[in-house]
Amino acid sequence: EPEVTQTPSHQVTQMGQEVILRCVPISNHLYFYWYRQILGQKVEFLVSFYNNEISEKSEIFDDQFSVERPDGSNFTLKIRSTKLEDSAMYFCASRWEGDGYTFGSGTRLTVV
Amino acid sequence: GENVEQHPSTLSVQEGDSAVIKCTYSDSASNYFPWYKQELGKRPQLIIDIRSNVGEKKDQRIAVTLNKTAKHFSLHITETQPEDSAVYFCAANPGGSYIPTFGRGTSLIVHP
Repeated sequence: EPEVTQTPSHQVTQMGQEVILRCVPISNHLYFYWYRQILGQKVEFLVSFYNNEISEKSEIFDDQFSVERPDGSNFTLKIRSTKLEDSAMYFCASRWEGDGYTFGSGTRLTVV
Repeated sequence: GENVEQHPSTLSVQEGDSAVIKCTYSDSASNYFPWYKQELGKRPQLIIDIRSNVGEKKDQRIAVTLNKTAKHFSLHITETQPEDSAVYFCAANPGGSYIPTFGRGTSLIVHP
């Protein structure tokens, strides 16, 4: 079964540093998403991406966040100046058509 | 925007018993309701979904019901097994959107 792959699985970073989280969506999928999940809380939408541009974003996705699809396969989330409260599990997801998402295995980001 | 409430937050059952998790939503235009299972430290995985033109859907031991009038939907797991232990999230897609709003999750514990 095709999978969404995320790297790294765990990243520890100093407050104020930039981090890039990487995702490889399923190859024929057209729509890409980033979600985050603070420990013990619900999954929260950050941003959706289609046709090489952001199609929707939440209030959480402020100027410190950006997304890119640099080479047609990778889909990245950049956090420019990390804060303690950015510590969370970040999930990438993709879908082809229809409603069903496939989530990646997640990147646990710890900001110290 | 859409608001999804989920109850209970924790559910503990004996192996073989049934488990029911309930969700309510606020946007009457919501038309797609997926359920995700998240095992500890793993990605959310879609286990069943239902669309607004259907009242009930079943897949082996799992069933979902939808009451559009009351704006609530439920997940039913029969003959529970220890491997059903996980956090279950309900979600609702507001009308015209492919961005689900998630509930806060239910931690299901099945005791052998």
